[in-house]
Amino acid sequence: SQTIHQWPATLVQPVGSPLSLECTVEGTSNPNLYWYRQAAGRGLQLLFYSVGIGQISSEVPQNLSASRPQDRQFILSSKKLLLSDSGFYLCARGREALNEQFFGPGTRLTVL
Amino acid sequence: AQSVTQLDSHVSVSEGTPVLLRCNYSSSYSPSLFWYVQHPNKGLQLLLKYTSAATLVKGINGFEAEFKKSETSFHLTKPSAHMSDAAEYFCVVSSGYALNFGKGTSLLVTP
Repeated sequence: SQTIHQWPATLVQPVGSPLSLECTVEGTSNPNLYWYRQAAGRGLQLLFYSVGIGQISSEVPQNLSASRPQDRQFILSSKKLLLSDSGFYLCARGREALNEQFFGPGTRLTVL
Repeated sequence: AQSVTQLDSHVSVSEGTPVLLRCNYSSSYSPSLFWYVQHPNKGLQLLLKYTSAATLVKGINGFEAEFKKSETSFHLTKPSAHMSDAAEYFCVVSSGYALNFGKGTSLLVTP
């Protein structure tokens, strides 16, 4: 089966602290991977996507960055968190042939 | 650019009554459209998808949606709501590699 893991499930961080969220995918090779953010009362916003190791495309300029050190690992980072970074972060894996995506369980980030 | 508009931010129905969640799309070509459901603090689950085959699409949990090109709509329906249907629903259009999400409709089901 194809599974997406996200770690941690919840996180509370102070403003100005660093961030590292991890997404790992099982059961598939060379997947397209995506990071989305869902802010309270809003839809999902695509932050980054990756078509392969070391290949990252940014959709929205901001203080976040992403990296893909391994085929099945996608990491979202920040050097200094802002209050506006609070939200629900979802990692997704693409299924190109059908234009659909499968989502991980998400990480709830609260910046205080 | 492809986009979707969900016409209702909140919908409330009684258990056992029909559900209608409305979505209009904007696309310069024949789109791929999806409905996803999100239960509280959970990831998103695909309910159904339209990819230019049959215009009436059946999904999981008794949901279905009809693609109407003349109305640029892709409304989600279910004949009889269940308490477990209470969740956030997202209408989504595929834009190449990415998905463009609507802002969501929160479905409340009352006993």
